[in-house]
Amino acid sequence: AQSVTQLGSHVSVSEGALVLLRCNYSSSVPPYLFWYVQYPNQGLQLLLKYTSAATLVKGINGFEAEFKKSETSFHLTKPSAHMSDAAEYFCAVTPGGSGNTGKLIFGQGTTLQVKP
Amino acid sequence: GAGVSQSPRYKVAKRGQDVALRCDPISGHVSLFWYQQALGQGPEFLTYFQNEAQLDKSGLPSDRFFAERPEGSVSTLKIQRTQQEDSAVYLCASSLAYLGVSNQPQHFGDGTRLSIL
Repeated sequence: AQSVTQLGSHVSVSEGALVLLRCNYSSSVPPYLFWYVQYPNQGLQLLLKYTSAATLVKGINGFEAEFKKSETSFHLTKPSAHMSDAAEYFCAVTPGGSGNTGKLIFGQGTTLQVKP
Repeated sequence: GAGVSQSPRYKVAKRGQDVALRCDPISGHVSLFWYQQALGQGPEFLTYFQNEAQLDKSGLPSDRFFAERPEGSVSTLKIQRTQQEDSAVYLCASSLAYLGVSNQPQHFGDGTRLSIL
């Protein structure tokens, strides 16, 4: 079975500081991993995805994430936070391989606050 | 349309009423998913369609929940005899993925916020 744990329900950083949002996953088969962002009263927008190609994945808005199989982690980073990055961030996993529907298993989410 | 469209955006119903939530996926997307997002939580999977076939309904919480996609495009999630615990945001997502190719991203609508009084 697959599961996702996001460490830290709230993260607060200053504008211009490094953003680090943590995600650990559990999967019995090689996973596909995703990071989504959700702004208030909106749906989820894809930031980036890992699908067994390069382990360092670059996404939109300057975000990137590194897949580390040995640590079962897929942490999201951004070198310099911007006020517009304040939102809810979700890590999600789906099992790879054939015969899977692609349904996503989400973490609980991390609220990112950016202070001026 | 350019994205996934859900209607209504907000729905208030009295306990015991039936509700219907609509999802218009991106044109040409084979796969359609419904998720339920409780306040302060991550979305949880409800059901999956590949075209008109409902291939996975393992996440539906009770037999009061019913989903259909009769022509392989628009989908409707119906909740009968609503209860207060049904209050949540219901998200619809579509993707180009078909069974066996699950690395395609899902594109989400803005959701329907359901409040049961």
